[in-house]
Amino acid sequence: GEDVEQSLFLSVREGDSSVINCTYTDSSSTYLYWYKQEPGAGLQLLTYIFSNMDMKQDQRLTVLLNKKDKHLSLRIADTQTGDSAIYFCAETYQKYSGGGADGLTFGKGTHLIIQP
Amino acid sequence: GAVVSQHPSRVICKSGTSVKIECRSLDFQATTMFWYRQFPKQSLMLMATSNEGSKATYEQGVEKDKFLINHASLTLSTLTVTSAHPEDSSFYICSARNEGANYGYTFGSGTRLTVV
Repeated sequence: GEDVEQSLFLSVREGDSSVINCTYTDSSSTYLYWYKQEPGAGLQLLTYIFSNMDMKQDQRLTVLLNKKDKHLSLRIADTQTGDSAIYFCAETYQKYSGGGADGLTFGKGTHLIIQP
Repeated sequence: GAVVSQHPSRVICKSGTSVKIECRSLDFQATTMFWYRQFPKQSLMLMATSNEGSKATYEQGVEKDKFLINHASLTLSTLTVTSAHPEDSSFYICSARNEGANYGYTFGSGTRLTVV
């Protein structure tokens, strides 16, 4: 079955770069996503990458995709206290062989802790 | 951008009562919506896929008679937790697939259900 793995915690100093890593198993994933969840809130889509891309940059965020190793990373440059949250990696998967609606498989989330 | 409105954001109910959670896509039509449940310190677990005009598709282990899903229009899906018990207390999040956009998924802000 589908599986998405990420480490549970990452601690960085304010101003440094944060790199959150994720591995996935479904090689047929078409899109891979990074979501941010602040305490008690819903998920906020941060960025996504199409599976035929290696890299995507969006302001302070850089996503790297190594499709051969099934490894996805999210780099946050100049990490700020407002970046403190849980970050979820997710992949799409085809649930039904007949072409039914895709679902998303999430990792357990990485809790990003910012040190002053 | 695409917005999904989920209500209520927080609800407390007595054991044995039913609670309805609404998920609306505000500026796009969604033939498919997804309902997730999040346990403390765990990832989101897909409960069911809600299909407009037809029956929902439930994931293994999810009781369809307990978690009633209705997707009567292209912009509204509801999840009713029937005869709620304390173990149903959780964070429920819906998402809708924006079929007009490349990346598709928009999440509601979540509903914190507490059953006392």
